[in-house]
Amino acid sequence: DTAVSQTPKYLVTQMGNDKSIKCEQNLGHDTMYWYKQDSKKFLKIMFSYNNKELIINETVPNRFSPKSPDKAHLNLHINSLELGDSAVYFCASSQGLAEYEQYFGPGTRLTVT
Amino acid sequence: GESVGLHLPTLSVQEGDNSIINCAYSNSASDYFIWYKQESGKGPQFIIDIRSNMDKRQGQRVTVLLNKTVKHLSLQIAATQPGDSAVYFCAESLNQGGKLIFGQGTELSVKP
Repeated sequence: DTAVSQTPKYLVTQMGNDKSIKCEQNLGHDTMYWYKQDSKKFLKIMFSYNNKELIINETVPNRFSPKSPDKAHLNLHINSLELGDSAVYFCASSQGLAEYEQYFGPGTRLTVT
Repeated sequence: GESVGLHLPTLSVQEGDNSIINCAYSNSASDYFIWYKQESGKGPQFIIDIRSNMDKRQGQRVTVLLNKTVKHLSLQIAATQPGDSAVYFCAESLNQGGKLIFGQGTELSVKP
């Protein structure tokens, strides 16, 4: 059973398009996150939600909008995609806000052409 | 050996040897330090954490050492195996709602 799943695994799209990445966790965790990993493997947090409430909102362009319909799901919608958005996006979850053991999904490789 | 293209620090060890991966962190106020392992094509995986009021913690085949004086963290892997080949990240937490600040990453290669 997959603990944290993301769809799609690969996403190739053109500049200016709007796309979404979906994430689901079946661990019963309260907290979910989105991370961006660039081509140099640098991993940076973008957002976190706890019980559907936005907790962390890093300095991310407002073209990125997370949505948490319930505590098991955290989706990421990206408007007007730019070349610099190309990266691997990871969803993660943890039992609670103060838990540092975060469970990561397999990642979504986004390529903007 | 050197890894072309990734510009990550690299460490190459022989199978069975011990590995030491080092990390310098930035914030004296960080309250937790964590090590993650990322295998190729996968998401990072939690290995071990250490609270800032400790200087050593042991897990299964891994030991984390924390030196707050010089803001240095290390991960020791005993009897390194080919399955340990991965990129290893240290991360620090400032107790801001689970926010982790990840370090650069070190690529570990284990030669059989």
